[in-house]
Amino acid sequence: QVQLVQSGAEVKKPGASVKVSCKASGYTFTSYGISWVRQAPGQGLEWMGWISAYNGNTNYAQKLQGRVTMTTDTSTSTAYMELRSLRSDDTAVYYCARGALGLRVDYWGQGTLVTVSS
Amino acid sequence: SYVLTQPPSVSVAPGQTARITCGGNNIGSKSVHWYQQKPGQAPVLVVYDDSDRPSGIPERFSGSNSGNTATLTISRVEAGDEADYYCQVWDSSSDHYVFGTGTKVTVL
Repeated sequence: QVQLVQSGAEVKKPGASVKVSCKASGYTFTSYGISWVRQAPGQGLEWMGWISAYNGNTNYAQKLQGRVTMTTDTSTSTAYMELRSLRSDDTAVYYCARGALGLRVDYWGQGTLVTVSS
Repeated sequence: SYVLTQPPSVSVAPGQTARITCGGNNIGSKSVHWYQQKPGQAPVLVVYDDSDRPSGIPERFSGSNSGNTATLTISRVEAGDEADYYCQVWDSSSDHYVFGTGTKVTVL
């Protein structure tokens, strides 16, 4: 069955960077893309961007342009999301999710809590 | 940027029907997807492409989309349907996904 397993919780100081991983299994990794979505405490879902696992093409949310980088490692079927210059309002649960660009997202990872605090 | 507006909350008695709306400019021209999120859990896709259901999702969940409003309908509501629900579309003008503001469904 399709599974997306994410790395564990992180605590970071303001100004630092965080890199979250998302290991896929149960399907052909390069046949789909990966979206990253975050959810601040008590808030709604916010789309961060998407990466093609086939060719590495990316599409980032405008508000995060310049601070976020999404990559994949096809040898391990793993996607990564790095967010730099962290601020307190980046505190959120970060999800990876499978889907082709422009279409539905059908499977989600379990989420990774990133806490930004001095 | 494209905005999707949902009512903050909907309350419904068990066995009744819950309707959750998602408003957006000419949303009827887009494909709408709906996600259910229970506390402490990742979202789950319950309806895609306006009205299709993934395997394993009960027929009680249905969707429609026309004009400026998309609707998720939950028939014969059960206690286990209590959750937050989000609509989502692809905005081709910005090449970005957009999520709705979310609706908390409470089963009385």
